[in-house]
Amino acid sequence: EPEVTQTPSHQVTQMGQEVILRCVPISNHLYFYWYRQILGQKVEFLVSFYNNEISEKSEIFDDQFSVERPDGSNFTLKIRSTKLEDSAMYFCASSRDSGLQAFFGQGTRLTVV
Amino acid sequence: TQLLEQSPQFLSIQEGENLTVYCNSSSVFSSLQWYRQEPGEGPVLLVTVVTGGEVKKLKRLTFQFGDARKDSSLHITAAQPGDTGLYLCAGASEAAGNKLTFGGGTRVLVKP
Repeated sequence: EPEVTQTPSHQVTQMGQEVILRCVPISNHLYFYWYRQILGQKVEFLVSFYNNEISEKSEIFDDQFSVERPDGSNFTLKIRSTKLEDSAMYFCASSRDSGLQAFFGQGTRLTVV
Repeated sequence: TQLLEQSPQFLSIQEGENLTVYCNSSSVFSSLQWYRQEPGEGPVLLVTVVTGGEVKKLKRLTFQFGDARKDSSLHITAAQPGDTGLYLCAGASEAAGNKLTFGGGTRVLVKP
């Protein structure tokens, strides 16, 4: 069964460093998303991506964040100059249709120290 | 800002009992999805409902979308210990760019 895969599963980084979280969405999906979940809190939307551009972003997704689809299979989230409060689980998701049937990856646990 | 409220936050029942989880909002959603999430893992999609009044069944799980598309429920019949987990509802609306707005989750514990 097709699935969304994310790497790494766990990333520890020093405050101020840059991290890149990687995702391989399901192959025939057209819409890609990043969400995050701070420990004990709700899953929060960060950004959606369609047709090689950002279609929507939340207030959380400021200039510190960027996304890229560098080739036909990968979808990345870059966080520049990480802060302690960026520590969270980051989930990539993809869907064939906008807003429907979004499938999530296993997540990357980011720990900023 | 769209909000989804789930209730109850925690539910503990004995094996064989039935349970219902509710997801409510003052906003209209074009679709609503139910997920199950295990600790340290990503949400796993259970079902998507799109039509007001729609009812979908997945084995012992019954999902209903409210007529006005503002609320939904998940009913589990004859719960088993394997049903233990965190259940999340998430709504999408065209007005909000079709991003998913998640509820806070209902943690279900089914005791043998």
